[in-house]
Amino acid sequence: GDSVTQMEGPVTLSEEAFLTINCTYTATGYPSLFWYVQYPGEGLQLLLKATKADDKGSNKGFEATYRKETTSFHLEKGSVQVSDSAVYFCALRTRSGTYKYIFGTGTRLKVLA
Amino acid sequence: EAGVTQFPSHSVIEKGQTVTLRCDPISGHDNLYWYRRVMGKEIKFLLHFVKESKQDESGMPNNRFLAERTGGTYSTLKVQPAELEDSGVYFCASSKGQAPEAFFGQGTRLTVV
Repeated sequence: GDSVTQMEGPVTLSEEAFLTINCTYTATGYPSLFWYVQYPGEGLQLLLKATKADDKGSNKGFEATYRKETTSFHLEKGSVQVSDSAVYFCALRTRSGTYKYIFGTGTRLKVLA
Repeated sequence: EAGVTQFPSHSVIEKGQTVTLRCDPISGHDNLYWYRRVMGKEIKFLLHFVKESKQDESGMPNNRFLAERTGGTYSTLKVQPAELEDSGVYFCASSKGQAPEAFFGQGTRLTVV
């Protein structure tokens, strides 16, 4: 079945460091891909999305490119801030059947000042 | 516009008791999803409503869980009787039509003791 695999955390970085969180997927057809973020004490927020191959989603300095050939959707940010500390979830939405969302396990990011 | 709202935010109940979680989706969103995150693992799909109909309930763990969406507006998820392994964070999400992105609520943290 469809699945999402993302890198294990936690990831600890210094402020202004470069961030990459890897995400790969297995799916039938071409799903839509998402990154959601959960800040401490809050719910899940949509960070960015891409709906077709080679699309680049971007928001708040974060970027991810839908790579069909490697079935990946890695999250990157050039310079992280303390306020980026959160749990990041990679997810896909199937294009057939019931259009449900499938999530990875989440990667906790801690940014130190 | 109000986002997805969930009640209560926290619930602590004893094993064997009953708990009802409520979700109010974004107005006009016909798709409503329930998800659960247990013990810091991945966010797992429970079920999907389209309006008042259950489109997919393949993720419901057992018959102790009952979800309803009367009138196609808010939804409730009842756990009866609750077991220790039901502890976790229950998320509700909604989306409109074929739009790819879903919007999540803050979640209900359920603790069964």
